[in-house]
Amino acid sequence: DAGITQSPRHKVTETGTPVTLRCHQTENHRYMYWYRQDPGHGLRLIHYSYGVKDTDKGEVSDGYSVSRSKTEDFLLTLESATSSQTSVYFCAISDLATSYEQYFGPGTRLTVT
Amino acid sequence: ELKVEQNPLFLSMQEGKNYTIYCNYSTTSDRLYWYRQDPGKSLESLFVLLSNGAVKQEGRLMASLDTKARLSTLHITAAVHDLSATYFCAVDNPSGTYKYIFGTGTRLKVLA
Repeated sequence: DAGITQSPRHKVTETGTPVTLRCHQTENHRYMYWYRQDPGHGLRLIHYSYGVKDTDKGEVSDGYSVSRSKTEDFLLTLESATSSQTSVYFCAISDLATSYEQYFGPGTRLTVT
Repeated sequence: ELKVEQNPLFLSMQEGKNYTIYCNYSTTSDRLYWYRQDPGKSLESLFVLLSNGAVKQEGRLMASLDTKARLSTLHITAAVHDLSATYFCAVDNPSGTYKYIFGTGTRLKVLA
């Protein structure tokens, strides 16, 4: 299994509070992604990174920011959590130099009350 | 806008039967991916199809890609209960930004 961890794995927070989710990889892969998964929507890309300090928006980026200060860590921040951001969040990595395949982390279940 | 559509969305089938899941996408892409997700779990890569006419098989699952028709199929042969899961297809954005766009998934239930 690809070395990807996410923390926390579960979180309950209140509306209006900031939340940061962490993705950590040990594979030295260049590309990292944050997705959210909701019933009926499959996986939707929030943000992705193509290198240290290089990030770009996905299809559902409003209300989210990301940072990548080193290869192994990709942080997703909900600046002011809303109930619509209740979801399961997955991090993924890929290394397009060797394979186009994506490897997924275990997921973080976030509930905003 | 790149869209990926799967059908059916839900599939209930008897053990031993064959069936096909379809994945259509809206714009040119030479690469297509299939994933499996068990309830409450993460996604597991099944197949990576990298060119027109690509066919890959593992066990009772076979995936194929027709880039001209913008269609991929996941064929299930002689289904068994262990294949019950949700299956997703995905393509990566043809503009070279390496964004992956996923279909909404097909929930498969194999009945004994």
